[in-house]
Amino acid sequence: QKEVEQNSGPLSVPEGAIASLNCTYSDRGSQSFFWYRQYSGKSPELIMSIYSNGDKEDGRFTAQLNKASQYVSLLIRDSQPSDSATYLCAVTRNQGGKLIFGQGTELSVKP
Amino acid sequence: KAGVTQTPRYLIKTRGQQVTLSCSPISGHRSVSWYQQTPGQGLQFLFEYFSETQRNKGNFPGRFSGRQFSNSRSEMNVSTLELGDSALYLCASSQGPTSNEQFFGPGTRLTVL
Repeated sequence: QKEVEQNSGPLSVPEGAIASLNCTYSDRGSQSFFWYRQYSGKSPELIMSIYSNGDKEDGRFTAQLNKASQYVSLLIRDSQPSDSATYLCAVTRNQGGKLIFGQGTELSVKP
Repeated sequence: KAGVTQTPRYLIKTRGQQVTLSCSPISGHRSVSWYQQTPGQGLQFLFEYFSETQRNKGNFPGRFSGRQFSNSRSEMNVSTLELGDSALYLCASSQGPTSNEQFFGPGTRLTVL
């Protein structure tokens, strides 16, 4: 079992729709959770961090965390073609800065 | 504020050679982490440095090493290069041990022939 699992996609949504990206993790000691966006040929860009159960909203992005179910999700509202990228879920035990990444979900937003 | 910078951006080496990659963190950030990204394995943690000390190390062979200087700049070295070392090497900086938000540099694309 991989430590952090994501559907590889591609996930295709029409412009203006809600994109839902999911991530599960195996280490119950995980304390911090992050979503990164990576455009093709570029480096990952931090878009959301979440540390406690519940929802955290930032603009069109909402991160959801459920530690009991070991589940993290990212919702992107009003999806735009510019949101087309690979979204990486990362978790850490807060020990020495080690982030464990999922394989990423490729999102395609069609105009 | 300037972001994380990495040099060189691209590198071509042959098997058996060694390579040194450099990373300058965001101003004021004292922690630097290194990651390897490949299509097959994804993003994998190499090591993290804070205050010139390695705090954590991933599951990579001893050929991979690093260090951090007093100005928080970091270097990583790979000796005796293998074809499988071809990858994007990413450096990420964070403020310190109490902050886990890491910000990535543009990466160094290493190709081993």
